[in-house]
Amino acid sequence: QQQVKQSPQSLIVQKGGISIINCAYENTAFDYFPWYQQFPGKGPALLIAIRPDVSEKKEGRFTISFNKSAKQFSLHIMDSQPGDSATYFCAASGSNSNSGYALNFGKGTSLLVTP
Amino acid sequence: GAGVSQSPSNKVTEKGKDVELRCDPISGHTALYWYRQSLGQGLEFLIYFQGNSAPDKSGLPSDRFSAERTGGSVSTLTIQRTQQEDSAVYLCASSSDPSYNSPLHFGNGTRLTVT
Repeated sequence: QQQVKQSPQSLIVQKGGISIINCAYENTAFDYFPWYQQFPGKGPALLIAIRPDVSEKKEGRFTISFNKSAKQFSLHIMDSQPGDSATYFCAASGSNSNSGYALNFGKGTSLLVTP
Repeated sequence: GAGVSQSPSNKVTEKGKDVELRCDPISGHTALYWYRQSLGQGLEFLIYFQGNSAPDKSGLPSDRFSAERTGGSVSTLTIQRTQQEDSAVYLCASSSDPSYNSPLHFGNGTRLTVT
């Protein structure tokens, strides 16, 4: 079953606006929550990540908000730019002897930033 | 430095044929992961290698799928008697070790089309 649920499936934002993507998880053993960005024809690339001991992490225009009690986390993209148009995946993982630190991915959000 | 390299980048094959997909991880990375990305879906975890060992192969979709890793480096994913439902992008990722301190670096994938 899908261990990480992501919404919305697609998002259109005007240039300069804020893009918000939400994710929820069930497994309380997860202790690492990254966001990946994927452009067409390319593999996903790490954008930003957070661990559950903090509630927020900011890197440039990208911020992760984390709510441990609600088992939810979100990505905020401030001052969205057309170059941010891509598919964004949230993920979660925890140490597992059988799967290493394999990431459990959401289904992705296709973001389009209009000029 | 060089990233994760996957070959071929595209593969078209006829139903029933066998295919072999190759992954060259980042030099020195001991952990290697295979994922499958189907159209409109998230990334489905297939198998994890620590060194040359895969502790758990249950994530492989069927017994037509197999994977190996040699010399702690190159990995191959083999699909026997391909079916149309095998059409997808197969992604490989590596990390220096299986921990949250070592993010996964993805290759650009092999796009497999079974006709």
